[in-house]
Formats: sequence, structure tokens, C-alpha cells
Amino acid sequence: DSGVTQTPKHLITATGQRVTLRCSPRSGDLSVYWYQQSLDQGLQFLIQYYNGEERAKGNILERFSAQQFPDLHSELNLSSLELGDSALYFCASSVAGTGGGYGYTFGSGTRLTVV
Amino acid sequence: AQSVTQLGSHVSVSEGALVLLRCNYSSSVPPYLFWYVQYPNQGLQLLLKYTTGATLVKGINGFEAEFKKSETSFHLTKPSAHMSDAAEYFCAVKGTGKLIFGQGTTLQVKP
Repeated sequence: DSGVTQTPKHLITATGQRVTLRCSPRSGDLSVYWYQQSLDQGLQFLIQYYNGEERAKGNILERFSAQQFPDLHSELNLSSLELGDSALYFCASSVAGTGGGYGYTFGSGTRLTVV
Repeated sequence: AQSVTQLGSHVSVSEGALVLLRCNYSSSVPPYLFWYVQYPNQGLQLLLKYTTGATLVKGINGFEAEFKKSETSFHLTKPSAHMSDAAEYFCAVKGTGKLIFGQGTTLQVKP
């Protein structure tokens, strides 16, 4: 158990629908990162939050949004889902914001299948 | 901008043989470099990292990596492969606000 909790583990939904993925960071970590992993794109950074504020944005579609709550858990919202959104979505956490050589601790991921 | 390139998407070795997974990086500043491992149906687990100081870094499960600035490389090695090492391995460099990952190398270990 890495200490980063992601729910649900699996999600199957239809095109056009909206889903919410949840992440609880490791105790003491203030940053949460979201990554998308697919066979053709590899691991793509989506977005980072630090202590409730957005810190960095990557290749995140406008249909996707995220937030980090006061208790530091984070949610990734995916809307108007398309078949191509099927992927493994990882959450990671770290103690720092942007600086330093801190590694990230990853959750076990949410496998999203859009049918 | 920082980037990493992993040479070889698949590497196959025999049990007991040397494991060598190659990673080259590009960075305009002194890099922070990482190796992660992903076992099937699991998240990524940190194997080792280089920040500053000693260029030979030892990690978990007998893996180590050497930072070579002149070659812009951070190759991962293990003297003797074990069946349990079969997994996907990712090299990463610290970018602004994020870790930037390579495409990954799948390690197959043959009995």
C-alpha cells in the first residue's frame, strides 16, 4: 500500500457521460498530480494541485477538470466522454510544490473504459 | 524543456543475466532523475532517484543507476535478473511542476 488511495479501481461508462475520479494523497503530502496512461500516449501529465491551488497544467482537455479540497483529497472530473478517453488514470502525491528532488508516490490507478 | 528517451521498448534477458535499461535525458538545468517500476495492474513504484551528490545511486531490489552528465544518461542496471523483475520500467526527469516520463521499457525475464 503506497498510501495514495484512488477510487474507484474500475469504471465502465458510455460515451457522452461524466465521471469523477477520486484521490486521497499520502499523509503529509500537499501536492496531488494527475496522469493519464494509455498505450499510444504513454504517461501524460494532466494537472497538479498544491495545497488547494492549481500549480501546473499539462495536456489536459477542456472537457476535463480537477480540484483539490481543504482536506487535500482531489477529484478529476471527465465529461462528454469519448472512446479515446479510455485509459488508466493515476494520481500521485508529494510533499513539495514544484521544487526539489522529491519523488512522487503513486496510487494504483483508476481504469476507465468508455463504451 | 526537459525530456527523457528510453532506448528500447522491450528488453529480454535470461534469469541471472545482467539487466541494462537505457535512459537519456535532456535538460537545460541540473536534472533530478528517477526510475520507476510498474508491475501489471499496479501503480508506479519509485526504484531510485538522483538529485545531487554521488553519481552512482542505489535503489530497491538490487537496482542501481549511474548519472553521467557528459553522456546525458541515467541507465538502470542490475547484476543478476530475477523472474520477479519482469515489469515495465520508466525513466523520468523533473520538469517544472511535474515529472516527465519516458515511454517505458518492458523487461522480460526468461527462465
